[in-house]
Amino acid sequence: KNQVEQSPQSLIILEGKNCTLQCNYTVSPFSNLRWYKQDTGRGPVSLTIMTFSENTKSNGRYTATLDADTKQSSLHITASQLSDSASYICVVSAYSGGSYIPTFGRGTSLIVHP
Amino acid sequence: ETGVTQTPRHLVMGMTNKKSLKCEQHLGHNAMYWYKQSAKKPLELMFVYNFKEQTENNSVPSRFSPECPNSSHLFLHLHTLQPEDSALYLCASSQRDSNTGELFFGEGSRLTVL
Repeated sequence: KNQVEQSPQSLIILEGKNCTLQCNYTVSPFSNLRWYKQDTGRGPVSLTIMTFSENTKSNGRYTATLDADTKQSSLHITASQLSDSASYICVVSAYSGGSYIPTFGRGTSLIVHP
Repeated sequence: ETGVTQTPRHLVMGMTNKKSLKCEQHLGHNAMYWYKQSAKKPLELMFVYNFKEQTENNSVPSRFSPECPNSSHLFLHLHTLQPEDSALYLCASSQRDSNTGELFFGEGSRLTVL
């Protein structure tokens, strides 16, 4: 069964600090891994996407890494801002029968305090 | 603005009411989805429509009835719901033959069943 596990479940940091969120997965056949940001009361928005051959991808202060051998990914946030307070969801997609089949993690809830 | 619009954003209904959620996508995509998001749980896929044909019904109770009149509109008709159906209902769209199968989400409809 395809699964995506995220840690920590929640995280509180001070503004300006860095943090790293983790994602472990067992999804087959692997196609891509995406990190979404979901603000409270809003829909998820894609931050980064990585395929099997990519091991790092940046989007501003967000940097995602992928280790396809250990089936792990991380999302590193640099110099956090109050607007980074959100839920971060790791989504790993398999490709089968002409369709992408995403498996969602539970998300990590990040709170940035001033 | 993701190009996927959901209405209403908030809905409170009694268990005997009949209501509908609406989703419209302006991205020219050929696949649309309904997801349920409950607290502390991963997003749960409910229904998938490809080219307005339902291709997946993820064991959803019959009190949820989807309708897809064309490739840019999707409805979720609600009837005799239970309090445990209270959740955020997210609509998403994608281009089925894209390189990555990225999902574009609406802002969600927050449903409360009394």
